[in-house]
Formats: sequence, C-alpha cells, structure tokens
Amino acid sequence: EADIYQTPRYLVIGTGKKITLECSQTMGHDKMYWYQQDPGMELHLIHYSYGVNSTEKGDLSSESTVSRIRTEHFPLTLESARPSHTSQYLCASRLAGITGELFFGEGSRLTVL
Amino acid sequence: RKEVEQDPGPFNVPEGATVAFNCTYSNSASQSFFWYRQDCRKEPKLLMSVYSSGNEDGRFTAQLNRASQYISLLIRDSKLSDSATYLCVMHNQAGTALIFGKGTTLSVSS
Repeated sequence: EADIYQTPRYLVIGTGKKITLECSQTMGHDKMYWYQQDPGMELHLIHYSYGVNSTEKGDLSSESTVSRIRTEHFPLTLESARPSHTSQYLCASRLAGITGELFFGEGSRLTVL
Repeated sequence: RKEVEQDPGPFNVPEGATVAFNCTYSNSASQSFFWYRQDCRKEPKLLMSVYSSGNEDGRFTAQLNRASQYISLLIRDSKLSDSATYLCVMHNQAGTALIFGKGTTLSVSS
C-alpha cells in the first residue's frame, strides 16, 4: 500500500475563499506531483517538484500554487477559489530515476459554489 | 499531435474474452512506459511497467514498439473485475514528469 495521504478528501466551498489541499508521503520520495482530473477525463499535470525548494509548473496551466519546504509535504493552494476550479486533485510521488512507480493519494474532490 | 493518444472505447466484452488496447505516443525519446488502472472515482494504480522486450504478468501482456511508437496491453480471459479504465503513461516531451493518456474504458460483462 502507498503511504501518501491527501486531505481533505472532499471540500465544498464558496467562491473567493482561499483553500489549501494537503499532501504528505512517508516513503522518502524526492519527486512529487499534482494532477487535476475532471470526471471521465484525463489526468493533467499541474505542478511537480524534484525535491525541497524545487517546484515547477506542469503541462496544464493552473492558478494554483505549490510549495515544498519539507520532503514529505507538498501542499497546493488556491488563493481565491472559483467554480472553474471544481475538479479532483490527485497528489502523487515516486523515487528518482526513470523507472520508479508513481504512487497516488486518494485525491481531493473540490467543489466551488 | 497529442503526446499520448488512446482509443477511449468503451470496450464492452464478455467474460473470457481477449481484449487489446493500443496507445501511441509522440515523444520518441521517452524511456519509461507504464500501464495504470483506474477504477471509477478512485486513484490510478500501477498495473505493469512496459519493457522493451515485452513482459507478461499472468493474464496481462504489455509490449512496446519503438519503431511505430506505440505500446499495447493484452488482457486474456477477461474477468468482471477487469472492468476499469486503463491508462498509458510515459515521460513528457521535456522528460520532466509522467503524463497520462486519456484512458481506455473496459467493461466486462457476464
């Protein structure tokens, strides 16, 4: 079983609120990722990190921001939530190298009213 | 051309059938290929890695064709529990992260 955890699992919030989606892993993985997935649609990479103090934007533009102050923690923040941000956000991590398996958290399902 | 393309299906097959999915990719430099499985409203989980020489895990066989730039997944003797969306995964053009295809949906019925 993967040791990667996301909170909250479900969040319903009003427009304009600031939200932070938490992601933690206890596997000592350097690489961490955030993907966004709408129902029945593909996963889109929105942020990734190769280690502490390293963050990069992914292939899909996102208004969210991330930080990586500790190896095990990779939170995602939306300063002002909008209905267009309604989606599922999946955090993942893996070891360095090209063959490492990607482990996913259970996801955070965000609904912005 | 999208980096990773899959036939979305759905593939509706009876139990016991053999079914095959293909996934084409545009990044000829990609070194790592995987098949992931995603159940409805769940996170993706690794099904198997895809090696250059092809590999088999029970009823599942994965193959890589670098010349034609596609990977394939063959499922033999389909079970009801195989019903899911199958995602092909590989490194993106920049080699910085893993990207996912849209997924192929398989529905196995009795």
